[in-house]
Amino acid sequence: SQQGEEDPQALSIQEGENATMNCSYKTSINNLQWYRQNSGRGLVHLILIRSNEREKHSGRLRVTLDTSKKSSSLLITASRAADTASYFCATASYGQNFVFGPGTRLSVLP
Amino acid sequence: NAGVTQTPKFQVLKTGQSMTLQCAQDMNHNSMYWYRQDPGMGLRLIYYSASEGTTDKGEVPDGYNVSRLKKQNFLLGLESAAPSQTSVYFCASSYSIDNEQFFGPGTRLTVL
Repeated sequence: SQQGEEDPQALSIQEGENATMNCSYKTSINNLQWYRQNSGRGLVHLILIRSNEREKHSGRLRVTLDTSKKSSSLLITASRAADTASYFCATASYGQNFVFGPGTRLSVLP
Repeated sequence: NAGVTQTPKFQVLKTGQSMTLQCAQDMNHNSMYWYRQDPGMGLRLIYYSASEGTTDKGEVPDGYNVSRLKKQNFLLGLESAAPSQTSVYFCASSYSIDNEQFFGPGTRLTVL
């Protein structure tokens, strides 16, 4: 299975701190994506990183990809209470569908 | 642009009843998906449609059927509902199979 597995399962930080979540997967991928889900809502796409990229930025988000270790990390800088959500990584291989991991529940305390 | 819409938002069924969940997208996307999400868990793919008129099984297809007769619509049917199908169902669409997916708001289904 190419399933992504996020780590940690849950994370609590203070507002203003940085939050780092990790994703590991098992097989070669075409790209890896990170999504956010606020409680009771659908998922929202955050960032896509392709297998030939090592790092991408989007606002306060920074994603890295290490294909040799089959892992990715999502860094949220200067966190806000509004960042409280579950974060999922999803991996895709050529011609195959995404497989979502179980997610990291992030709580940002004011 | 409404994006991805799902109907109904909530549904309660009795064991053995059948129903159809509807999904529509107005982004002219080629690919559409149905997922289920159980409490505290990630998404599991039920069925997907890479393009209009085609459908394929995902990870957990048993007890479900789908149809994609029009590019903008993807229907998920429950043939004979079981309590194990109590879940939140999400529809999503993307330009192609490995592109960014856009999600609907979800349908909360309870089977008694």
